[in-house]
Amino acid sequence: EIVLTQSPDFQSVTPKEKVTITCRASQSIGSRLHWYQQKPDQSPKLLIKYASQPFSGVPSRFSGSGSGTDFTLTINSLEAEDAATYYCHQSDSLPLTFGGGTKVEIK
Amino acid sequence: QVQLVQSRVEVKKPGASVKVSCEASGYPFTTYGFSWVRQAPGQGLEWMGWIKTYDGNTNYAPKLQGRVTMTTDTSTRTAYLELRSLRSDDTAVYYCARARDYYDTSGYYLDASDIWGQGTVVIVSS
Repeated sequence: EIVLTQSPDFQSVTPKEKVTITCRASQSIGSRLHWYQQKPDQSPKLLIKYASQPFSGVPSRFSGSGSGTDFTLTINSLEAEDAATYYCHQSDSLPLTFGGGTKVEIK
Repeated sequence: QVQLVQSRVEVKKPGASVKVSCEASGYPFTTYGFSWVRQAPGQGLEWMGWIKTYDGNTNYAPKLQGRVTMTTDTSTRTAYLELRSLRSDDTAVYYCARARDYYDTSGYYLDASDIWGQGTVVIVSS
């Protein structure tokens, strides 16, 4: 099973700051890495698929990069509505797995 | 619009079974499969398995093999998750999410789940 390790676990950020979340896979997964945003009491929403492809309707301040084992989600100019937990997710091999999540709090 | 609507809340005793439903609308039902993902209180996301709507083929997470069954009903556009021999640590929100499968030069894969249901709360308590 592929283990995804996210860092940091928690980040407290001022609006308009830049946020960087990393996800490391225990083995190479090519670009089959996706990012989800989950707000409290809501279901997860797809932000970025295949490491760098924005999903339809996602604000342009969200971007992704990486391949192989190291991936990054960047939120440029954080807004208050971005307070959420962010998860990476691999679809390279079964069983599919998720990272442990990064909670982003607005200061 | 594309929507997945799930059953709301289920309360079960340890040892019982639960069957959660997920009704799809807004797209051709058999063109997407369904992943099921659960989230225990205060915890992260756990993938449980996937079913191909077109032919009923399934892939289950190894830790749930033997306790879980995923099915679909094309006539009602509904996917189902059944979990048996419930334990207290099965208490969670259960999500359905649509996803396609595909082949490329590297092999066989599942696509990212793009649309999720609102979740079903399953509480296992004596």
